Amino acid sequence: GAVVSQHPSWVICKSGTSVKIECRSLDFQATTMFWYRQFPKQSLMLMATSNEGSKATYEQGVEKDKFLINHASLTLSTLTVTSAHPEDSSFYICSARVLAGESEQYFGPGTRLTVT
Amino acid sequence: GQNIDQPTEMTATEGAIVQINCTYQTSGFNGLFWYQQHAGEAPTFLSYNVLDGLEEKGRFSSFLSRSKGYSYLLLKELQMKDSASYLCAVRDHQTGANNLFFGTGTRLTVIP
Repeated sequence: GAVVSQHPSWVICKSGTSVKIECRSLDFQATTMFWYRQFPKQSLMLMATSNEGSKATYEQGVEKDKFLINHASLTLSTLTVTSAHPEDSSFYICSARVLAGESEQYFGPGTRLTVT
Repeated sequence: GQNIDQPTEMTATEGAIVQINCTYQTSGFNGLFWYQQHAGEAPTFLSYNVLDGLEEKGRFSSFLSRSKGYSYLLLKELQMKDSASYLCAVRDHQTGANNLFFGTGTRLTVIP
């Protein structure tokens, strides 16, 4: 159990375009989903936290108008990178948690974004 | 804020034991996690400590000392497939959502 999927697994887009990444909890309902970004040879950096039906909470330094997060249901969250630039090229990973006190977060397989 | 430190790289021999240390400073400590991450893949959960002491799970053990802000991950009987990055992550309840904050990760290379 506790499977999180992401789609697409990789995407290449042109500079200036927008890209949407989906994160789904397949066999459980996630009250909270998290979006991380990971640059090569670096660790995961939390971008934002989203709770179903409410606005996402962004970490300091993350532009909320550039990284749009929607958590419309308990099984789906989306991250849209708007007006992508080459420096946005990264590995984007989502994770999901059932309850606030839950000890474990379940990670998706990640989406590799390359902006040309 | 959070400050999590781990060694950047380690090398160990197949069959041996390796200890990966992690020190942290956080205002609202609410648990420490260890994850394994192979290149290009998402992290997979290894262990969770919230109380002081040792948690053992097969070849992997994790230790926590809250007073010292210190944890280690112990890997026994190393196998080649254990070559990966090992991420120490701290959960912080003062950020409001019990968020996880990750260290930079320790890249472990297991050699024959």
